[in-house]
Amino acid sequence: AQSVTQPDIHITVSEGASLELRCNYSYGATPYLFWYVQSPGQGLQLLLKYFSGDTLVQGIKGFEAEFKRSQSSFNLRKPSVHWSDAAEYFCAVAHNAGKSTFGDGTTLTVKP
Amino acid sequence: KAGVTQTPRYLIKTRGQQVTLSCSPISGHRSVSWYQQTPGQGLQFLFEYFSETQRNKGNFPGRFSGRQFSNSRSEMNVSTLELGDSALYLCASSITGTGRNTGELFFGEGSRLTVL
Repeated sequence: AQSVTQPDIHITVSEGASLELRCNYSYGATPYLFWYVQSPGQGLQLLLKYFSGDTLVQGIKGFEAEFKRSQSSFNLRKPSVHWSDAAEYFCAVAHNAGKSTFGDGTTLTVKP
Repeated sequence: KAGVTQTPRYLIKTRGQQVTLSCSPISGHRSVSWYQQTPGQGLQFLFEYFSETQRNKGNFPGRFSGRQFSNSRSEMNVSTLELGDSALYLCASSITGTGRNTGELFFGEGSRLTVL
């Protein structure tokens, strides 16, 4: 069965430090992978996506992610975190029409 | 371009009642999906509609139902509410839900349901 694992429930980083959020997936075919961000009381916003091609994808707000098929991973990175990045981050794999499986999320806290 | 609009944003019901939630997708988007978000279960897929047809359904009891209208607006209904139905219900729209657009979802802010 398809699944997405985000090993880190909560991560705290200092403002200006680099960030890496981990995501591992289990999927039979070539996955369509996504990272979404959710601020408190809000819906989810798409940060970036991977369908095929270049394994390093760029997203909004300075985020990037790297697809590694051999490790079944799609980790999210940002070189310098801003206080406004504090939110919950979800990795997801899309199956087909409108149906995606989401990880349990990683809550990011940013220390001043 | 207006985003996905969900109404109502907040509502409180008691056990046994029913509730209807509404979702207006982004103009031009024909696929509407619904997700339930709870602290214990995370984001769970409920169902997806395209051109008024349900194409996909998650593992929820029959008390959860939905429909889509010809203008792509969608509603979901939960009957005989239980305490465990308290959740944030998120609607997401996408252009077609297939091909290179597969899985690229645009979410509304959600409807927060509290069941007492």
